[in-house]
Amino acid sequence: EVQLVESGGGLVQAGGSLRLSCAASGFTFGSYWMNWVRQAPGKGLEWVANIKQDGSEQFYVDSVKGRFTISRDNAKNSLYLQINSLRAEDTAVFYCARARGGRSYGTVPFDYWGQGALVTVSS
Amino acid sequence: DIQMTQSPSTLSASVGDRVTITCRASQSISSWLAWYQQKPGKTPKFLIYKASSLESGVPSRFSGSGSGTEFTLTISSLQPDDFATYYCQQYSSYPLTFGGGTKVEIK
Repeated sequence: EVQLVESGGGLVQAGGSLRLSCAASGFTFGSYWMNWVRQAPGKGLEWVANIKQDGSEQFYVDSVKGRFTISRDNAKNSLYLQINSLRAEDTAVFYCARARGGRSYGTVPFDYWGQGALVTVSS
Repeated sequence: DIQMTQSPSTLSASVGDRVTITCRASQSISSWLAWYQQKPGKTPKFLIYKASSLESGVPSRFSGSGSGTEFTLTISSLQPDDFATYYCQQYSSYPLTFGGGTKVEIK
């Protein structure tokens, strides 16, 4: 059974940093692109970033470029999101999501999602 | 960036109703469109890819259609478990973008 479990969320002051983790199990983690998607309270879904199987390519939404860094450790079956210079508008539940199909490109939908990690930024 | 616009934003319907949700892209995305269902406090569930292909395990009352810039998600006979918010997503190009969501509520 595919499982994605996020951790590392919490309450942080504006300007602070946080590192989210996603522990994957039930599939060959190193064979899939992986994504982070966020959802502000009461709002819709926003794709944040993704990373290729070997970590050699990453893509970001413009609003987080230069502040967020996605990375992975295939030996530990783990995905990470380093979030710096946090702003109030970054308050959201952050989901880890697997890219469907194990493709060589990352423009694919997401077939499995974690339960999410809540990041709250206080000003 | 490709903007995705869903309509309506809220839809009131009864069990057994046929329900249709529309998603429009700001430019052509061919058939690179997915649909997700999200219930309150829960994680999104993947329903449909490539505009009309049903993900394994998804009930056949769900169907998708469209190509280019206009797409629809249809629920042929609404069931109690289907009351939720539905999102479309384009994966034609970066940044990957979602529609604003359509909440299907009980009439």
